[in-house]
Amino acid sequence: RKEVEQDPGPFNVPEGATVAFNCTYSNSASQSFFWYRQDCRKEPKLLMSVYSSGNEDGRFTAQLNRASQYISLLIRDSKLSDSATYLCVVNKGAYYKLSFGAGTTVTVRA
Amino acid sequence: DARVTQTPRDKVTEMGQEVTMRCQPILGHNTVFWYRQTMMQGLELLAYFRNRAPLDDSGMPKDRFSAEMPDATLATLKIQPSEPRDSAVYFCASGQDFPSTDTQYFGPGTRLTVL
Repeated sequence: RKEVEQDPGPFNVPEGATVAFNCTYSNSASQSFFWYRQDCRKEPKLLMSVYSSGNEDGRFTAQLNRASQYISLLIRDSKLSDSATYLCVVNKGAYYKLSFGAGTTVTVRA
Repeated sequence: DARVTQTPRDKVTEMGQEVTMRCQPILGHNTVFWYRQTMMQGLELLAYFRNRAPLDDSGMPKDRFSAEMPDATLATLKIQPSEPRDSAVYFCASGQDFPSTDTQYFGPGTRLTVL
């Protein structure tokens, strides 16, 4: 079983729509959770950390469910510039070591 | 705007040749990570350093890969001899103990093609 599993998509949505997707993680000792964004042929960039209480950053909302070991990301009012691959990232329980999911591809169309 | 830099950005080489990739972490960062990304495997951690000391290189094929940090401003990843299956994008990332050990900043990557 992979440490972090994501639906690869693609999620094709029109501008202005809401899109949401999840990832699951296997290590119950994981303490830190993140969403990274990766554009085509570019490096991953931190989008946001995910906190137990849930958190928002503008149009992006992240939720964490420790009991079920899943993390979600919701994008409201999608923009063309939101088209990217979103990587779910989990601390492996060991200092500094992160485990990356394979990514969920989102394409926002005009 | 501080960034991680990597050289070369693209490298095409033939099987059996030595490949050296270089990374300059963000000034002041004390952790450095090497990742490999392929379509099949996604992002895999190869090795990482803290305060220039190697902490873990268990993700790296030891027989042909080596990672070093000769000083705080330079990390290197070497493959000798290279094989076609090493073709991938190699990312370097850096971070620091505060405010968060888990926030990593990635360089632009080295796209390696081994023929």
